[in-house]
Amino acid sequence: NAGVMQNPRHLVRRRGQEARLRCSPMKGHSHVYWYRQLPEEGLKFMVYLQKENIIDESGMPKERFSAEFPKEGPSILRIQQVVRGDSAAYFCASSPASGLAEETQYFGPGTRLLVL
Amino acid sequence: DQQVKQNSPSLSVQEGRISILNCDYTNSMFDYFLWYKKYPAEGPTFLISISSIKDKNEDGRFTVFLNKSAKHLSLHIVPSQPGDSAVYFCAVSYSGAGSYQLTFGKGTKLSVIP
Repeated sequence: NAGVMQNPRHLVRRRGQEARLRCSPMKGHSHVYWYRQLPEEGLKFMVYLQKENIIDESGMPKERFSAEFPKEGPSILRIQQVVRGDSAAYFCASSPASGLAEETQYFGPGTRLLVL
Repeated sequence: DQQVKQNSPSLSVQEGRISILNCDYTNSMFDYFLWYKKYPAEGPTFLISISSIKDKNEDGRFTVFLNKSAKHLSLHIVPSQPGDSAVYFCAVSYSGAGSYQLTFGKGTKLSVIP
């Protein structure tokens, strides 16, 4: 399966712990996006990365959240000192490196984070 | 303030009939429009897209219509099948921003009744 992969699929954390979400883009894709979906809501953009670069982080909360996409390995979304309001589904998407504006983003299955 | 609105949270359609899902947007700068389908506990699946230079795009049973003056797009599914039952999200982007982030509506839950 050459689709976007995310792990873990489900993650339970207690308040104050750290959450690390991983995303491996589709083969040949070097653009990665992270989105968050709260219950009964649409997906909300968080951050857009290319290899070793953050291109747009305008949707990221100012504190506790960070993202990276290293030269080797998956993209990581890191949430420090989680709070109950961080409970949501986090989706990763990828697109090719052609640089065209009309790029379709392909989504992974998501990580469902539950903060107790 | 919602930039993308899907005003119908749910829609029920008889199998074989046409399903019409609607989406309105506020910013005339948006120039690329997509529809995604989502099943519970899965990620969104891309269905069909349209750029602002067109007013219609067709792919099998799915057709997307774009009315730029009304800032409105719609997805037509014909004939509807029970497997089409899912949540459908409209998404838009603006190519001039340098970031291809998508802005989503809240979704419409389609139920196709056998």
